[in-house]
Amino acid sequence: NAGVTQTPKFRVLKTGQSMTLLCAQDMNHEYMYWYRQDPGMGLRLIHYSVGEGTTAKGEVPDGYNVSRLKKQNFLLGLESAAPSQTSVYFCASSFAGGHTGELFFGEGSRLTVL
Amino acid sequence: GENVEQHPSTLSVQEGDSAVIKCTYSDSASNYFPWYKQELGKGPQLIIDIRSNVGEKKDQRIAVTLNKTAKHFSLHITETQPEDSAVYFCAGEPNAGKSTFGDGTTLTVKP
Repeated sequence: NAGVTQTPKFRVLKTGQSMTLLCAQDMNHEYMYWYRQDPGMGLRLIHYSVGEGTTAKGEVPDGYNVSRLKKQNFLLGLESAAPSQTSVYFCASSFAGGHTGELFFGEGSRLTVL
Repeated sequence: GENVEQHPSTLSVQEGDSAVIKCTYSDSASNYFPWYKQELGKGPQLIIDIRSNVGEKKDQRIAVTLNKTAKHFSLHITETQPEDSAVYFCAGEPNAGKSTFGDGTTLTVKP
């Protein structure tokens, strides 16, 4: 049972390049999330999804897009990477949101934008 | 929206001592408060949570207390061990899918 799997684990981009982070979960969870983690700033929610085909903005959505075409997958895209997007990105999933949901996190994807 | 403040940002204790981490929140609608532990190079993992209809919850050496009137909750770790060294995050969740995390506390347990 893999849980939440993120690919790639490391990536270096040049300013202006695009890329997609893939998150896959095998727990049949409805909710999926993308967070970024920066030193001293905790985890900040970028986008989330409450079910297949749905997406919603979190706290820091600018510069990112997401898609949830399949229940088990949640993709995070950067269309034109900027140095400010250098961060560690975590995907998470939960059975449900709203006061019931333990978040299950992946191991993170470290992105560096030069 | 919800604002969660966490203190202290770093905490160093001797093995066997107790550690306390405190969080305050702003949104009175929040009624689910989880605590996550993040070890180096890994994703956060839930260690304990509490809901607003409960004032205290304990699981072996860890406990969480909640004061809804004052809008604060705390994590207590007793008899600390070196393997407790990690970053700990609190969170508050007022709406489905929108947990707000504190900035984290780096706990170091010295042998």
